[in-house]
Amino acid sequence: DQQVKQNSPSLSVQEGRISILNCDYTNSMFDYFLWYKKYPAEGPTFLISISSIKDKNEDGRFTVFLNKSAKHLSLHIVPSQPGDSAVYFCAASPFTGTASKLTFGTGTRLQVTL
Amino acid sequence: GAGVSQSPSNKVTEKGKDVELRCDPISGHTALYWYRQSLGQGLEFLIYFQGNSAPDKSGLPSDRFSAERTGGSVSTLTIQRTQQEDSAVYLCASSLPWDYGYTFGSGTRLTVV
Repeated sequence: DQQVKQNSPSLSVQEGRISILNCDYTNSMFDYFLWYKKYPAEGPTFLISISSIKDKNEDGRFTVFLNKSAKHLSLHIVPSQPGDSAVYFCAASPFTGTASKLTFGTGTRLQVTL
Repeated sequence: GAGVSQSPSNKVTEKGKDVELRCDPISGHTALYWYRQSLGQGLEFLIYFQGNSAPDKSGLPSDRFSAERTGGSVSTLTIQRTQQEDSAVYLCASSLPWDYGYTFGSGTRLTVV
C-alpha cells in the first residue's frame, strides 16, 4: 500500500522556468512533510519541510505548498537551474515531537535543460 | 565525523552467503535509520534506532534481516542467507532526536549473484 505517491516519474523543465513536483498521500495521520533531493551515487539530501499547521513554506528558490483537504503537496523551484537536475523524494510522518520513520514516495526525476 | 559514513560502498555476494553492512552516524545523533532502495523503487524503511534500542523494526522484510547498534553510535545491518531479491542500495541516516531532516550516507550497493 503506497501511502505516499509521486505519480510523475520524470519531469523536464527549461532553465529559468518553474519546476512543480507533486506528491499525494493517503494516511490522514501524516502531518509533517519533507522533500529530499538525490544525486546519483549519493544519499538523499534534506531540502525543505512543512508542518500541517502551515500551507506554505519558502526557502530561497524552493517553496512547498500543502493542501490538507486534498492530501496533496507540491514543491516549486523558481527559477530552475541545471544543478537542480536530480531525483526528488517526498516524505511524510506523523509529528510526534520525536523524530521517527519517514514514509517516502518513489521519486520524480527532474531534468533542467539549457 | 562530518557526515554519515557507510561501508562497504559496494558489495557483491553469492546467494546464500551472509553480509554485514556498517553505518557510522554523525557524532551526537542519537537517532539512526536504515532504508533500502531497490531498482526503480522508493526508499523502503527497515529499522529505526533511538540510542541502542530499536523502537521500530517493522520494516525488516524477514527474519534473515537483523540490525544492532552499540554505544549509541555504529550500527550494523546483517542479512543472512542472502537472496537475489535482497539486491538494493542500503541507506543509513542519522538525526538529532527531534529532527525529521535526516542526514543520509551514500549507501551500500548490494548485489546478490
